[in-house]
Amino acid sequence: AQTVTQSQPEMSVQEAETVTLSCTYDTSESDYYLFWYKQPPSRQMILVIRQEAYKQQNATENRFSVNFQKAAKSFSLKISDSQLGDAAMYFCAYRPNRGYTGTASKLTFGTGTRLQVTL
Amino acid sequence: GAVVSQHPSWVICKSGTSVKIECRSLDFQATTMFWYRQFPKQSLMLMATSNEGSKATYEQGVEKDKFLINHASLTLSTLTVTSAHPEDSSFYICSAGTSGPNTGELFFGEGSRLTVL
Repeated sequence: AQTVTQSQPEMSVQEAETVTLSCTYDTSESDYYLFWYKQPPSRQMILVIRQEAYKQQNATENRFSVNFQKAAKSFSLKISDSQLGDAAMYFCAYRPNRGYTGTASKLTFGTGTRLQVTL
Repeated sequence: GAVVSQHPSWVICKSGTSVKIECRSLDFQATTMFWYRQFPKQSLMLMATSNEGSKATYEQGVEKDKFLINHASLTLSTLTVTSAHPEDSSFYICSAGTSGPNTGELFFGEGSRLTVL
C-alpha cells in the first residue's frame, strides 16, 4: 500500500522569507503523480503544484517549487517570498498513474503541515 | 480547471435522521468520484470510491449501510448518511477526475460540514 508521510505538523515562516515543507512517500509503482494541496480556513482544497514521476525536472509554479528525489522517494515543497495568504494546511498527496477511473486511481494524502506566516 | 460543486455546504440534523450530500462535476464527466471525511485538524480520509453505474468501493472500516453512495450519472454522485449520530459529525469532501487526457489532477468540491445534534 502506498503511504505518504509529512513529518512536520507545523511550520512557521516570516513574511518574504523562504520555507520548505517535507514529504516522503512509499510505493512500488514506477509511474505516478505527486501533488501539494493547500487547504486554507475555508477548507477548499487548492492544487499548488503537480509533479509527474517520469519527469526528472522539478515542477515550479511562480513562488512554489518542488525538490523531487525519486530514488529517495522525497517530494519537498519550497515557498519563496512567503505571503500572509500562504498560511494554510498543506497536504502532500500521491496518486498512481493507472488511468483515471476506479479505486486504483485514488489519491493518498499525508497528515498535513500547518504553515504560519508571521510579519 | 474543472469545477466540482457540493451541496449543501453545511447541514445540521437531528440524531436518527438521514442526510444527503450531492457532488456534481459542472463542466466535465466524471466516471469516478471519491468521498473523503476530514476531522478537525486532521488529514482527508478516503471513505469510498464512487463509480458511475456500479456499486461504490468502500475503504476498510467504512460502513456501507451507514454511508450510502449513489453515482447514477456521469456528473452526479450522492452520499447519504443514514440514521446519523453525533459521531458522524464531520467535514465531507468529494473529488473527481476528468475522463479526458489524464493530468492526474483531481478536482475538489467545497466540502460539506455535517453537524448531528
